[in-house]
Amino acid sequence: EPEVTQTPSHQVTQMGQEVILRCVPISNHLYFYWYRQILGQKVEFLVSFYNNEISEKSEIFDDQFSVERPDGSNFTLKIRSTKLEDSAMYFCASREAGVYNEQFFGPGTRLTVL
Amino acid sequence: AQSVAQPEDQVNVAEGNPLTVKCTYSVSGNPYLFWYVQYPNRGLQFLLKYITGDNLVKGSYGFEAEFNKSQTSFHLKKPSALVSDSALYFCAVRPYNTDKLIFGTGTRLQVFP
Repeated sequence: EPEVTQTPSHQVTQMGQEVILRCVPISNHLYFYWYRQILGQKVEFLVSFYNNEISEKSEIFDDQFSVERPDGSNFTLKIRSTKLEDSAMYFCASREAGVYNEQFFGPGTRLTVL
Repeated sequence: AQSVAQPEDQVNVAEGNPLTVKCTYSVSGNPYLFWYVQYPNRGLQFLLKYITGDNLVKGSYGFEAEFNKSQTSFHLKKPSALVSDSALYFCAVRPYNTDKLIFGTGTRLQVFP
């Protein structure tokens, strides 16, 4: 069964450093998402992406964040200058075309900012 | 504000007994409702969804959920719990005018042998 994959599973970085989190969505999916979950808190929406552009973003997704689909398979989340409060589990998700279709999630990348 | 509430942090049930994990929501318009399950070190796995139609929806692994519009609830149920059902369960809503999911805080289900 096709799955969303994410790399790395755990990323440790120093405050102020740039990180790139990588995702490979399911191959025939057209809509892509990033969510995050700070330890002990809710899963929160960050951004949605379709047709090579951001379709929706949350208040969390400020200028420090960016997303890109550099080729036909990868979908990346970049944090330019990490802060301590960016420490969280980051989930990538994707779905097929069709407004009623569910999102499929990857296993997550745990980001630790020191 | 649009939100999802899962009032129980943890639900304990004996194997073979029925289980219910509660979820209520607050959104404008007709909601699209989802349940996901998270096992340790795994991503969120889709269980089932309600879009429209029959209020009782069936999903993976014998789970079902009942949509109740008047009570704005979407409780997850299973007639006979298994130890392997022990996991973290998330209810989510997708408001009709957006593509994002709004999640509840999650309920940890513990099924005892």
